[in-house]
Amino acid sequence: GAVVSQHPSRVICKSGTSVKIECRSLDFQATTMFWYRQFPKQSLMLMATSNEGSKATYEQGVEKDKFLINHASLTLSTLTVTSAHPEDSSFYICSARDLGQTNEKLFFGSGTQLSVL
Amino acid sequence: TQLLEQSPQFLSIQEGENLTVYCNSSSVFSSLQWYRQEPGEGPVLLVTVVTGGEVKKLKRLTFQFGDARKDSSLHITAAQPGDTGLYLCAGAKRGTSYGKLTFGQGTILTVHP
Repeated sequence: GAVVSQHPSRVICKSGTSVKIECRSLDFQATTMFWYRQFPKQSLMLMATSNEGSKATYEQGVEKDKFLINHASLTLSTLTVTSAHPEDSSFYICSARDLGQTNEKLFFGSGTQLSVL
Repeated sequence: TQLLEQSPQFLSIQEGENLTVYCNSSSVFSSLQWYRQEPGEGPVLLVTVVTGGEVKKLKRLTFQFGDARKDSSLHITAAQPGDTGLYLCAGAKRGTSYGKLTFGQGTILTVHP
């Protein structure tokens, strides 16, 4: 079945540094990917919709200059947390829709745990 | 205001008991999905319900979509410790971008042996 690979699975960084998270669709093309943020024992909050070849659409309250999204190919979207601070520490998850699926079906990555010291 | 109200948020039961998780909204959804998530992992899709009144079964799990497509429930029969995890409902609203899901708050289920 379709697989979404997210990398890295865990990252620890110092405050002020930037962190890039990759989301790849391994055996299908994804014109649209979604980025979520999740705090411990809480639900997923949609941050932005990543569109291949165009600008991402950000949800209300999400700083686009803080969370840079690039979707340069049909199989790769990246989320860069710029100048990370401890409050950015969270679990980040991506999902991708499979164009080949007739039903609404999303595939989720395994998530990235970001810890900012 | 949470678009999808999921309840209960926490559920701690003994092995063999039955349980039901509810997902309610004032909005109509074109489809609703249920996911299960383990700590440190992404959500895994359990089922998608599309038709009002639809009932789907997955072994000991029964999913129901309300007639008006505003609510859904997940019922687990004879829960096992392996059912422990975070259960999430997520809805796709008609007219929104394909794949853009709204998630409920989640239900943390713990099944004790």
